[in-house]
This record gives sequence, structure tokens and C-alpha cells, in this order.
Amino acid sequence: TQLLEQSPQFLSIQEGENLTVYCNSSSVFSSLQWYRQEPGEGPVLLVTVVTGGEVKKLKRLTFQFGDARKDSSLHITAAQTGDTGLYLCAGPIQGAQKLVFGQGTRLTINP
Amino acid sequence: ETGVTQTPRHLVMGMTNKKSLKCEQHLGHNAMYWYKQSAKKPLELMFVYSLEERVENNSVPSRFSPECPNSSHLFLHLHTLQPEDSALYLCASSQLSGTVDEKLFFGSGTQLSVL
Repeated sequence: TQLLEQSPQFLSIQEGENLTVYCNSSSVFSSLQWYRQEPGEGPVLLVTVVTGGEVKKLKRLTFQFGDARKDSSLHITAAQTGDTGLYLCAGPIQGAQKLVFGQGTRLTINP
Repeated sequence: ETGVTQTPRHLVMGMTNKKSLKCEQHLGHNAMYWYKQSAKKPLELMFVYSLEERVENNSVPSRFSPECPNSSHLFLHLHTLQPEDSALYLCASSQLSGTVDEKLFFGSGTQLSVL
């Protein structure tokens, strides 16, 4: 079974600090996606990483796909209160038309 | 209207009630999904419809009954639910292309409470 584990589960930091959250698996994924879910809303796709070792940047967010394509990280520089939300990683199940999701990291940025 | 729209946003029902959740996508996608999101558990895929045919049913109890009358609309019919079915029910759509870059577009969800 392809599973994704995210850490930490909860993270609360002050505005302006940097942080990294992780998404790990014992299985190889052809790609991994990161979503952000704000309270009262559905998840919104931030990025898809496809190539082992790939780094993608979205303003202050940096996403990296592990060389072995078993893990990914999300680094946020100078966090802002608007970054608050649930960050989910997801990957496609081999041979099936569906994604498996991690349990998420609930991030709170305090003013 | 754009994106994926779900109604109602909130629903409270008794265990003997029958209700339906509605989802509409305005993105021209060919696949639609129902997910369940409970506290402290990963998003759970319930049903997948591809080109209006059900292609996935993840061992969901029969008290949940999906319906996909066309590629833009998806319903989830609920009857005799249990309190543990209380959760956020999310609808999503995607354009299946067979590539690794397929993306899900989610609605805002229906927060369901079963009393």
C-alpha cells in the first residue's frame, strides 16, 4: 500500500520565521502534489513535482522532490499570517485513477 | 460561475433522515470524485466517476449512494446515517489525461453533522 506520512502534524510559529514541513513514503511516486486548505474551504493545488530532485518555487514557498521520488518537502520563508492552513501532500496510486493523501500539516502563523 | 460548487455548505440530519449533497463543476472536466474528510484522518476517497461511469467505490457503506447524471453534476444521496459519518464531504473534478500532472479541483465542501 502506498502511504504518505506528513510531519509535523501541527506547527505554530511567529510571523517572519522560516519553516519546513515534510511528506515521506516508503514507496516511489511518479509525482507528488501539494495542496493548501484554508478553514471552511476545499484544498487548492499549489504545485506538482515530477522529476527526482526537482525544486519548484512559488513566491516564498519552495517545494523539493527527493532524488528517489519517495519524499518531498515544503519550505516557507518569512511566513505570513496568510500562510495559515492545512498543507496536504498527495501522490497518484500506481495503476489507479486516484490520489492518496497524507494526513496533513496544520500550520498556524501568529501575528 | 466558475470552479466546483457544492450545496449545501452545512447540513444537520437525524439518523432516520434522507438527504442529498449536490456538486456541480463548471470546468469541462471528465471525472468527478467524492471525498470524506474527518478530523485526524487523511482525505478518504469514496467514489470516482469517469465519463459518467463509476470507476471506483472504496468499500463505502450502502447508506451512501452516488449519482452522476452527466459530466457536470454529481450527487451523494444519504440515508440512515450514523453519528460517525459526521465529516466534511468534498467534491472534486479533474481532466483525466493519463499523465502524472493530473490535478484535482475541489469544492468548498458540505459540513455534515449526524445527530
